[in-house]
Amino acid sequence: DAGITQSPRHKVTETGTPVTLRCHQTENHRYMYWYRQDPGHGLRLIHYSYGVKDTDKGEVSDGYSVSRSKTEDFLLTLESATSSQTSVYFCAIRKEGAQETQYFGPGTRLLVL
Amino acid sequence: AQSVTQLGSHVSVSEGALVLLRCNYSSSVPPYLFWYVQYPNQGLQLLLKYTTGATLVKGINGFEAEFKKSETSFHLTKPSAHMSDAAEYFCAVSSYQGAQKLVFGQGTRLTINP
Repeated sequence: DAGITQSPRHKVTETGTPVTLRCHQTENHRYMYWYRQDPGHGLRLIHYSYGVKDTDKGEVSDGYSVSRSKTEDFLLTLESATSSQTSVYFCAIRKEGAQETQYFGPGTRLLVL
Repeated sequence: AQSVTQLGSHVSVSEGALVLLRCNYSSSVPPYLFWYVQYPNQGLQLLLKYTTGATLVKGINGFEAEFKKSETSFHLTKPSAHMSDAAEYFCAVSSYQGAQKLVFGQGTRLTINP
């Protein structure tokens, strides 16, 4: 257990509304990531962070923004949700060094109507 | 750029039979390779990983994988399938340096027949 929680776990929203998903970690890891999971695509990286206020884009960043004002929290925002953003969103943290590995949170299932 | 191809989106084996899930990768730098498992409505759990050193790596639940650089492969095996192995399996690659951004294959759903 890497101490990762995501909220909310499920959300239904309407097209055009803003949505913010939260990822919280308890172990002060430097790197945090947001991925989305869609059938036939595996998981794809949206954005990642390598420290407070340090973020960068991933493979599928269009339509998403992120913020990290504290080490423990990494927020993903859909400024104006679209149906194509219906997906399952996973947060991950990276344990660096000899035990180099990413650990994943439980996921947030988002439905955009 | 890196990429991963998992051969077969669905694999079905009988209980007690060999499990073989195929993964081929492309990477311009030395890769780190991972297998994750996802049970229904759950997050991803690390099965095993290759970073450096021994090319045959053992993971949890009796799974193992062998890194073959010449074949750019990292196939996952288990000698004897159990019903509890039914899940979706993801192969992923990252570089050995930098942000460790994972690139995933599309996944293989494993079904175990009694």
